[in-house]
Amino acid sequence: GDSVTQMEGPVTLSEEAFLTINCTYTATGYPSLFWYVQYPGEGLQLLLKATKADDKGSNKGFEATYRKETTSFHLEKGSVQVSDSAVYFCALGNSGNTPLVFGKGTRLSVIA
Amino acid sequence: GAGVSQSPSNKVTEKGKDVELRCDPISGHTALYWYRQSLGQGLEFLIYFQGNSAPDKSGLPSDRFSAERTGGSVSTLTIQRTQQEDSAVYLCASSPLSGRQETQYFGPGTRLLVL
Repeated sequence: GDSVTQMEGPVTLSEEAFLTINCTYTATGYPSLFWYVQYPGEGLQLLLKATKADDKGSNKGFEATYRKETTSFHLEKGSVQVSDSAVYFCALGNSGNTPLVFGKGTRLSVIA
Repeated sequence: GAGVSQSPSNKVTEKGKDVELRCDPISGHTALYWYRQSLGQGLEFLIYFQGNSAPDKSGLPSDRFSAERTGGSVSTLTIQRTQQEDSAVYLCASSPLSGRQETQYFGPGTRLLVL
């Protein structure tokens, strides 16, 4: 079945550091890929998504490119802020009526 | 506009008791999902409703778990004879349509603790 693997955390960075959170997937067909973020005390919210190969999703300075050849969707940000501290989930959506498949989440802590 | 709401936000119960968790999706969203988030784990799919179709119950971990969706809107997740391993955050999400490209909008979750 479909699956998502993302790097385990926690990840601790200093403010303005470069961030990469790796995500790879296994799926049949042509899935859509998502990054969701969960800020402390809040529910999950969509950060960005890409629906086909070579698409780049971007939002709030974060970017991820859908790489079919490496089955990856790594999340990057050039300069993190303390306010980016959260748990980040990579997820996959496949054929019509199936739910999202999530990775286990990566906790990011950014220190000033 | 209003997002997905869930109630209660926290629930503490004793082992063996039944609990009901409620989800109010975004108005007009036809798809509704329940997930479970356990400590150190990702999100585990439980059940999915799409319009008037029969729900996809393939993720329910045991027959103690059931869910219904009334009038295509509000949904209730029921856990009978709760066990300590049921302790988790239960998340509800809705989307305008079903489909691989659809963004799911999540509620804040219900944190369940079974003593």
